[in-house]
Amino acid sequence: GDSVTQTEGLVTLTEGLPVMLNCTYQTIYSNPFLFWYVHYLNESPRLLLKSSTDNKRTEHQGFHATLHKSSSSFHLQKSSAQLSDSALYYCALDDTGKLTFGDGTVLTVKP
Amino acid sequence: DTTVKQNPRYKLARVGKPVNLICSQTMNHDTMYWYQKKPNQAPKLLLFYYDKILNREADTFEKFQSSRPNNSFCSLYIGSAGLEYSAMYLCASSRDRTNTGQLYFGEGSKLTVL
Repeated sequence: GDSVTQTEGLVTLTEGLPVMLNCTYQTIYSNPFLFWYVHYLNESPRLLLKSSTDNKRTEHQGFHATLHKSSSSFHLQKSSAQLSDSALYYCALDDTGKLTFGDGTVLTVKP
Repeated sequence: DTTVKQNPRYKLARVGKPVNLICSQTMNHDTMYWYQKKPNQAPKLLLFYYDKILNREADTFEKFQSSRPNNSFCSLYIGSAGLEYSAMYLCASSRDRTNTGQLYFGEGSKLTVL
């Protein structure tokens, strides 16, 4: 079946440093859609980014990600972390009309 | 209004007792989902309604029931709670089956079974 792997369970950064959260996936389908969801404490999870076509970068709220089918990856990046970026980030895969989530990465940004 | 509301936010239940969780959305979305989220684990899809059609995941088929009396409401029912049901239950909706990636989540219902 489908699977999504987020290798880091916890990432701690100093404010101003770049962010990179890893996401790789497995699926038999040739045209999957990948997503990043962000879950701030005491709020609902919400969509942060949706993949576009292969090798095309998508951006939102300072974050960006590029779907690379050759490596089955959709890593989340940001050039400079802010304190307000501290949250739980999920990578998710949709290829059959249902979302499969990764285990999530807790990002903590410190001053 | 793009909110999904869940009630109750917190539920304490005894082992063997039933639990009913409620979700509502006013976006006229066709599809509503229930996910189970345990600490350090991925949200796990339990079931979803596309319009009036209920789809339950194979490994949770007999553990959870659901109803959708109208487009706006969807419930999750546990007939006899066990300790393993303690989790956060997230309801979500999406506009239609072709846009399933863009889910709108509620804040969750945290169930503790004692």
